[in-house]
Amino acid sequence: GAVVSQHPSWVICKSGTSVKIECRSLDFQATTMFWYRQFPKQSLMLMATSNEGSKATYEQGVEKDKFLINHASLTLSTLTVTSAHPEDSSFYICSARTGALDTEAFFGQGTRLTVV
Amino acid sequence: GQNIDQPTEMTATEGAIVQINCTYQTSGFNGLFWYQQHAGEAPTFLSYNVLDGLEEKGRFSSFLSRSKGYSYLLLKELQMKDSASYLCAVMDSNYQLIWGAGTKLIIKP
Repeated sequence: GAVVSQHPSWVICKSGTSVKIECRSLDFQATTMFWYRQFPKQSLMLMATSNEGSKATYEQGVEKDKFLINHASLTLSTLTVTSAHPEDSSFYICSARTGALDTEAFFGQGTRLTVV
Repeated sequence: GQNIDQPTEMTATEGAIVQINCTYQTSGFNGLFWYQQHAGEAPTFLSYNVLDGLEEKGRFSSFLSRSKGYSYLLLKELQMKDSASYLCAVMDSNYQLIWGAGTKLIIKP
């Protein structure tokens, strides 16, 4: 299947700083990328959907000014957690589809963010 | 509202068979997915059903009944490495994935 690479795998940052997470589709063009957040023992929570070249669509309750998403190319989307706080500590996962109507979504490896 | 229900946790014995059920109520239906997720890792794709019936893939099989809003994942010849969470997800009429909370499967020797 297609490969989605997410970087970094884990990151520890100080409270108040910003962290950028990259999501790359390595062997296909991803017109649509999704960013999820997952707390321990809970399911994936969709944060936002991003389409290449346009603004991301955020789910209700997700602060767009705090979680900045950029989908500048067909192979790269980034999530920046700005002014991170300990409650932002979580597992962040991206996934990509080649088209909005495609069925299978390919997942990145996930990023474990710890804010201290 | 949209809802996906699956058991929180199940326990089975190595070498045995286990069935994980999933019921759903969504606005529209464009297929149901099963994913496996080991702790601390991203989900990996197991199966996709859009028509009624059973899809078999090696030790794993997935069944769908659209009229009942029901699916199950059947795992045969269980191995210790099958210990993981199994996520049921339904693609709704907007082609968005609606995720269940996952079923943690514990395999005992």
